[in-house]
Amino acid sequence: NAGVTQTPKFQVLKTGQSMTLQCAQDMNHNSMYWYRQDPGMGLRLIYYSASEGTTDKGEVPNGYNVSRLNKREFSLRLESAAPSQTSVYFCASSPVTGTANYGYTFGSGTRLTVV
Amino acid sequence: EDQVTQSPEALRLQEGESSSLNCSYTVSGLRGLFWYRQDPGKGPEFLFTLYSAGEEKEKERLKATLTKKESFLHITAPKPEDSATYLCAVGDSNYQLIWGAGTKLIIKP
Repeated sequence: NAGVTQTPKFQVLKTGQSMTLQCAQDMNHNSMYWYRQDPGMGLRLIYYSASEGTTDKGEVPNGYNVSRLNKREFSLRLESAAPSQTSVYFCASSPVTGTANYGYTFGSGTRLTVV
Repeated sequence: EDQVTQSPEALRLQEGESSSLNCSYTVSGLRGLFWYRQDPGKGPEFLFTLYSAGEEKEKERLKATLTKKESFLHITAPKPEDSATYLCAVGDSNYQLIWGAGTKLIIKP
């Protein structure tokens, strides 16, 4: 099925460890996004990529880096994980940047725990 | 400051009992209001976009409406399969989405 695929689905890290969350979409979308979702809060944008070759900071970029590897793939890296980064991470894509009638397509998420 | 507030946080209904969810917002330069549905352990799924006050959209038992300060998601004769968390988001002047915390809807058979 067409959509957004995220790996891994679950991960436990020790404080200070690094990891990369992978995201791939097969809908030929130009824009991709990384969000985090915490209990009682709305989704918060970490980084986004309006098109292949560009990336921009969102609301909460500190402690994260991203790479838009090609049009399909957009990865999120935690260089030195902290307990405050315990969250559920979602990747999303859209045909173009910003808002439109078709909305964003989300992956199923990565549940990350940092101990 | 741009913000989105959803109420109630949780809503329990009996099957067939109609109700409404509220999304109030303050944003400079609204670029659309969006409703999503999120099932446990899954990502949000797009439902509707509304762009101007007075606009309405419908999908099965759901109808979304928009005023200048809030949106309502009306659920008519809900079924247990309508149980989910419903998220509201608004597009700001930079075309970025600002999200509410969601309303968890539980429909009892």
